[in-house]
Amino acid sequence: GEKVEQHESTLSVREGDSAVINCTYTDTASSYFPWYKQEAGKSLHFVIDIRSNVDRKQSQRLTVLLDKKAKRFSLHITATQPEDSAIYFCAAHQGGRALIFGTGTTVSVSP
Amino acid sequence: GALVYQYPRRTICKSGTSMRMECQAVGFQATSVAWYRQSPQKTFELIALSTVNSAIKYEQNFTQEKFPISHPNLSFSSMTVLNAYLEDRGLYLCGARTGGARAETLYFGSGTRLTVL
Repeated sequence: GEKVEQHESTLSVREGDSAVINCTYTDTASSYFPWYKQEAGKSLHFVIDIRSNVDRKQSQRLTVLLDKKAKRFSLHITATQPEDSAIYFCAAHQGGRALIFGTGTTVSVSP
Repeated sequence: GALVYQYPRRTICKSGTSMRMECQAVGFQATSVAWYRQSPQKTFELIALSTVNSAIKYEQNFTQEKFPISHPNLSFSSMTVLNAYLEDRGLYLCGARTGGARAETLYFGSGTRLTVL
């Protein structure tokens, strides 16, 4: 089955800098790659996603890149703010199946 | 918008007893519901995927005998943890999505935090 590896377990950035989180997956049939954010003591909140028919998607300060050849995708956060501090999870799946999550990256944005 | 309500938020049970958690989709039809457990180390384990009118698919290390799931309609699902022990503690999350080839976004409930004494 699908396995998702999330490479950075922690990421500390200064406010205003950029943050990048990288994930790799194993199943070439995976076609959907969402990102979720979990704030302390809270549940998962959907952030952004990308489908395999594109290699880039941007939403305000967030950009997701997908490299299907390398089976790699990444989340780029620009102009980070303290409220971006959270655990970010990448995930992957094929249509009709459940999401498989990465292990999470704790992002800390300091003033 | 799509909302998923999950309850209870927290529950404490004695070792060897059982507890049930429920998941309600509001604003969309929950064709599929996935149940996850988040360990104290923060990793998510998929327990099972339930799709209306299909058999519930359990992942390795999780069984129907231990985690029976009910998904009787397009707005409700429940899961019971039977004979809970220390290793069952954690945050249980239900994620629901509607049908269709491109409707893949899972919306999550607030989670049920299980403490086992």
